[in-house]
Amino acid sequence: SQQGEEDPQALSIQEGENATMNCSYKTSINNLQWYRQNSGRGLVHLILIRSNEREKHSGRLRVTLDTSKKSSSLLITASRAADTASYFCATHSGNTPLVFGKGTRLSVIA
Amino acid sequence: EPEVTQTPSHQVTQMGQEVILRCVPISNHLYFYWYRQILGQKVEFLVSFYNNEISEKSEIFDDQFSVERPDGSNFTLKIRSTKLEDSAMYFCASYRDRGNGYTFGSGTRLTVV
Repeated sequence: SQQGEEDPQALSIQEGENATMNCSYKTSINNLQWYRQNSGRGLVHLILIRSNEREKHSGRLRVTLDTSKKSSSLLITASRAADTASYFCATHSGNTPLVFGKGTRLSVIA
Repeated sequence: EPEVTQTPSHQVTQMGQEVILRCVPISNHLYFYWYRQILGQKVEFLVSFYNNEISEKSEIFDDQFSVERPDGSNFTLKIRSTKLEDSAMYFCASYRDRGNGYTFGSGTRLTVV
């Protein structure tokens, strides 16, 4: 089944460093989305990349998509303690609802 | 910025009781969803709703679950007879059309005791 799977499961970095999270999926998609979740809180949409796009930027976020490898990466540059959260990729295909991966827990240490 | 509003934020209920989780999606959105997230696990799709009817549901969404849009603005999820394993965060989401991300509510934490 179509499914985003992130790696690593957990990532711990120092403030100011870059954080890279990866996502792999299994079937063709219309778009891939990244969401952020602070502990015990709701999901916040970060960025959407369409299947015909290869790279997208939003502030300190950079997302890449390689449809031949069925993978995406999320890069957060110059990380801050406030970036500490779980990050999920989610794939959207046809009329099916978003399918989420298990997420990467990012800890940014001040 | 428009928000999806969910109430209550936290509900504790006895096993076997009925619960209704409420959501107010963004007014011009057309597609509505319920997802759940058991503590520490992935976000799982429950049901999607479009044009006043269910468009898709997962295996989790069995006969114990139902959804309604009673008055054109609220969107509710009812669990008829709660089980311990229904304890989770329940998220409502909506979006207007493809090419946009979903807007999620802040969730209802359901605890079944």
